Amino acid sequence: EPEVTQTPSHQVTQMGQEVILRCVPISNHLYFYWYRQILGQKVEFLVSFYNNEISEKSEIFDDQFSVERPDGSNFTLKIRSTKLEDSAMYFCASRPSGGGGSYGYTFGSGTRLTVV
Amino acid sequence: DQQVKQNSPSLSVQEGRISILNCDYTNSMFDYFLWYKKYPAEGPTFLISISSIKDKNEDGRFTVFLNKSAKHLSLHIVPSQPGDSAVYFCAATGKKGVRTASKLTFGTGTRLQVTL
Repeated sequence: EPEVTQTPSHQVTQMGQEVILRCVPISNHLYFYWYRQILGQKVEFLVSFYNNEISEKSEIFDDQFSVERPDGSNFTLKIRSTKLEDSAMYFCASRPSGGGGSYGYTFGSGTRLTVV
Repeated sequence: DQQVKQNSPSLSVQEGRISILNCDYTNSMFDYFLWYKKYPAEGPTFLISISSIKDKNEDGRFTVFLNKSAKHLSLHIVPSQPGDSAVYFCAATGKKGVRTASKLTFGTGTRLQVTL
């Protein structure tokens, strides 16, 4: 069964450092997403990406965040200068075309980011 | 901004019995609802979904009921099995147009424990 692959599974970084979280979505999917879950809280939307541009972003997705699909297969989330409150589980997701939400997203297993 | 709420943080059910997980939403623009199951250190896994034009959708042991007037949906698992023990998230999305990649808004989750 096709899956969304995320690397690394766990990243520890110092406050103020840049991190890049990597994702390989399912190959025939067209919509790509990043979500995050702070420990004990709900899964929150960060950004959606379609046709090589951001479709929508949340208030969390400020100027410190950026996304890129550099080579047609990878989808990356960059945090330029990490803060302690960026510590969370980051999930990449993708879904195929289709009206509205008629197909379930596929989520990756997540990257646990720890900022120290 | 709790547009999707799961008021029961946990639920314990005996094996073989019915599990009923509840979810309420406030945003009337939501037109598609999904249930996800999540194990620790894994990403959410899609279970079942329902469009707002329906009031019931069934897939094997899983049935989702939607009451639009009450803005309430529920997931029934019958019969419950020990392997169903996980955190269950309700999520909702709304159509914004063909080009827009509709984001998911998640509830806070309900931890289901199925006991022997």
